[in-house]
Amino acid sequence: AQSVTQLGSHVSVSEGALVLLRCNYSSSVPPYLFWYVQYPNQGLQLLLKYTTGATLVKGINGFEAEFKKSETSFHLTKPSAHMSDAAEYFCAVSDLTGANNLFFGTGTRLTVIP
Amino acid sequence: GAVVSQHPSWVICKSGTSVKIECRSLDFQATTMFWYRQFPKQSLMLMATSNEGSKATYEQGVEKDKFLINHASLTLSTLTVTSAHPEDSSFYICSVPPGGYTEAFFGQGTRLTVV
Repeated sequence: AQSVTQLGSHVSVSEGALVLLRCNYSSSVPPYLFWYVQYPNQGLQLLLKYTTGATLVKGINGFEAEFKKSETSFHLTKPSAHMSDAAEYFCAVSDLTGANNLFFGTGTRLTVIP
Repeated sequence: GAVVSQHPSWVICKSGTSVKIECRSLDFQATTMFWYRQFPKQSLMLMATSNEGSKATYEQGVEKDKFLINHASLTLSTLTVTSAHPEDSSFYICSVPPGGYTEAFFGQGTRLTVV
């Protein structure tokens, strides 16, 4: 079974500061890992994903995440926060059965302070 | 990537009425679609798996008679909230797991408010 834990339901950073959103997962099989962003009253947009290969993955809008198997983590980072980054961020895991059902973390709301 | 269209984006209805939400896969055929529900300040929870040409599979605790799912074609799945109550107010979102890709694609979501 898969599960995801996102530490910190709310994170506030100053504009230009480092963004770090934490995600730990549990999976009985090698996972696919995802970060999605959700703006108010909108659907989910994929930021980045890890499937296989390079453990440091780069996504859109300057975000990146590193898959660390030993730590069962997939933390999301961005070197310099922008006001437009304020949103809800969800970490998700799926298994490799092909069903592509996603298990989501509880989400982290990012606030960027000008 | 795949394009998924969900309609309506928001709806307000009176308690006791029914509301239908559509999820369309615009550029490929989908034998399976997922319906999620998101309560305020909570994560997305899978409600049911919609299967083209057969009955939907519901997650534990989801009332199948209340949340009717129809997947009549390879491009359309509908979720009907029957006899809606204020506690059904939520954000409903569908996703399509395309076979050739590694990630699911999501509709825009539907904000349902029952008054």
